[in-house]
Amino acid sequence: NAGVTQTPKFQVLKTGQSMTLQCAQDMNHNSMYWYRQDPGMGLRLIYYSASEGTTDKGEVPNGYNVSRLNKREFSLRLESAAPSQTSVYFCASSVAGRGNIQYFGAGTRLSVL
Amino acid sequence: QQQVKQSPQSLIVQKGGISIINCAYENTAFDYFPWYQQFPGKGPALLIAIRPDVSEKKEGRFTISFNKSAKQFSLHIMDSQPGDSATYFCAASPSGTYKYIFGTGTRLKVLA
Repeated sequence: NAGVTQTPKFQVLKTGQSMTLQCAQDMNHNSMYWYRQDPGMGLRLIYYSASEGTTDKGEVPNGYNVSRLNKREFSLRLESAAPSQTSVYFCASSVAGRGNIQYFGAGTRLSVL
Repeated sequence: QQQVKQSPQSLIVQKGGISIINCAYENTAFDYFPWYQQFPGKGPALLIAIRPDVSEKKEGRFTISFNKSAKQFSLHIMDSQPGDSATYFCAASPSGTYKYIFGTGTRLKVLA
């Protein structure tokens, strides 16, 4: 059982380039999330998907787009990368409902030069 | 913006000592308070969690204390071990949602 799988693990982009971060979960969870982690800032929610077919903005959505491809997969796209988007990105999933545990992937470390 | 404030930013404890990390929140409409542990290069993993209808929850060496009137909750690690060295995040879930708002993290180092 893999849990939450993120690809790639590392990526270097030049300013203005685009890329998509992939996330897949095999736990049959309804809800999925994208966070970014920056030093001293904790984890901040970018976008989330409460269920297949729905997506909503989190705390820091500017510069990002998401797609909930199916129940398993939730991708995060940077259309025109900026140095301010240099961060570690985490995908998480949970069973829908109150107080459910979020399970995290291992992260994607992204550098934008 | 709802916030969760966490302190200290870093903590050094001797092996066998007690590690204490504190969090405070600014909005009463939270109904779930998890703590996550993160090792370098890994994703966060749930350590222990509490709901506001109880004042304390203990799992092994880890205890959450919750003070609803003060809007504060804390993590106590008893008999701290070098293997506990990690970054710890508190979080709070707004009522009626399953989103989390995370604190800024505490980097714990336990000296052997």
